[in-house]
Amino acid sequence: DAGVTQSPTHLIKTRGQQVTLRCSPKSGHDTVSWYQQALGQGPQFIFQYYEEEERQRGNFPDRFSGHQFPNYSSELNVNALLLGDSALYLCASSLGGGVGETQYFGPGTRLLVL
Amino acid sequence: GEDVEQSLFLSVREGDSSVINCTYTDSSSTYLYWYKQEPGAGLQLLTYIFSNMDMKQDQRLTVLLNKKDKHLSLRIADTQTGDSAIYFCAENYSGGGADGLTFGKGTHLIIQP
Repeated sequence: DAGVTQSPTHLIKTRGQQVTLRCSPKSGHDTVSWYQQALGQGPQFIFQYYEEEERQRGNFPDRFSGHQFPNYSSELNVNALLLGDSALYLCASSLGGGVGETQYFGPGTRLLVL
Repeated sequence: GEDVEQSLFLSVREGDSSVINCTYTDSSSTYLYWYKQEPGAGLQLLTYIFSNMDMKQDQRLTVLLNKKDKHLSLRIADTQTGDSAIYFCAENYSGGGADGLTFGKGTHLIIQP
């Protein structure tokens, strides 16, 4: 049973560029949430996708956008990259997207913005 | 707004019990979680507790919840070197019907031989 997978594992970009990160949820899960974890901090909720729509969003600017595909996989896009966007980006999947559904995390994509 | 606080470091001797504490502010939280993160890795769910429970035990792990004081603790019995990691407390994000989690900054558990 495959767990949550993310690609790429590492990425280096320069300021102003755009980046796309990918996530495949755990088998049987239909909901994907994205988190940003800066160095030395806890993960911060970016947004959640369910039924191909953004259901809930944390305190992140519009430069952060996403998409969910019919197979439940998801992409996180970040435009106009800033140095402060350097972080570990974590994807979590769950079933149903409701309150209390346990979220399982992938290994993350480490993004470095120079 | 929501806020979850944890002490940053805890040092214990191998074989002793570790108690990691957490306070949260969102009284509407339904579930509270403990996650473990080893160096360079993602988050591993350890356990969770429903807000109408006071205690949950799962092998070496015991979770205690004091809802009145909004205090959550994780006790690890017989701490081993493999328990060395960062432990995150998390609560539901109550901004809507979905389940974005709010995390603390994490407690680094250091095991002394």
